[in-house]
Amino acid sequence: QVQLQQWGAGLLKPSETLSLTCGIFGRSFSHYYWTWIRQSPEKGLEWIGEVNHLGDTNYNPSLKSRVTVSLDTSKTQCSLKLSSVTAADTAVYYCARALLGYCGSSTCPVGLDVWGKGTTVTVSS
Amino acid sequence: IQLTQSPSSLSASVGDRVTITCRASQDIASSFAWYQQKPGQAPKLLIYEASTLQSGVPSRFSGSGSGTDFTLTISGLQPEDFATYYCQQLYNYFFTFGPGTKVDIK
Repeated sequence: QVQLQQWGAGLLKPSETLSLTCGIFGRSFSHYYWTWIRQSPEKGLEWIGEVNHLGDTNYNPSLKSRVTVSLDTSKTQCSLKLSSVTAADTAVYYCARALLGYCGSSTCPVGLDVWGKGTTVTVSS
Repeated sequence: IQLTQSPSSLSASVGDRVTITCRASQDIASSFAWYQQKPGQAPKLLIYEASTLQSGVPSRFSGSGSGTDFTLTISGLQPEDFATYYCQQLYNYFFTFGPGTKVDIK
């Protein structure tokens, strides 16, 4: 059974870079998409981006210029970096595993079936 | 793709049948999921591909719909079901969530 454990700095100043890591424990992490989501009272649940075991990524266009999601296969960790943070980036950040289904001749995410506990990130001067 | 949920909140009693709807701004086929979130916890996947029950989720939860209109039904509300429910489309990147429906005790 896969478990996700998150860690990273919870208090940042404006213009700093948010850096969070998600440790993937349990069964193989191959053949899944690993996703970051954030939640704030203002914006609700917001999908940030994802990476698969091949290193292919997809990002939210509103964050794409500032965000990097990566997968360290040797450490079985997924990471999120968000640069130039502002108060608007204050949120609870979650990592999650995307369950895959069949989309024509390929696979695609159909739901987020395993979640980390979340990391509260506050941006304040 | 924008998602709207209705109602935004509802009050119900244990044993009630509860229906929550979600509408997409364009056709998303069946690329759709429902989640339950309790305070201080991460969301939990209930339904994916619009109507497939996630493993371990009680059968009182069911999902239906395709295209633009989707429904989550709880048949016989239990005390542990009082929570906020979110929908998500996974048809087009980037994936988006609905604003949520809070179910509380009448």
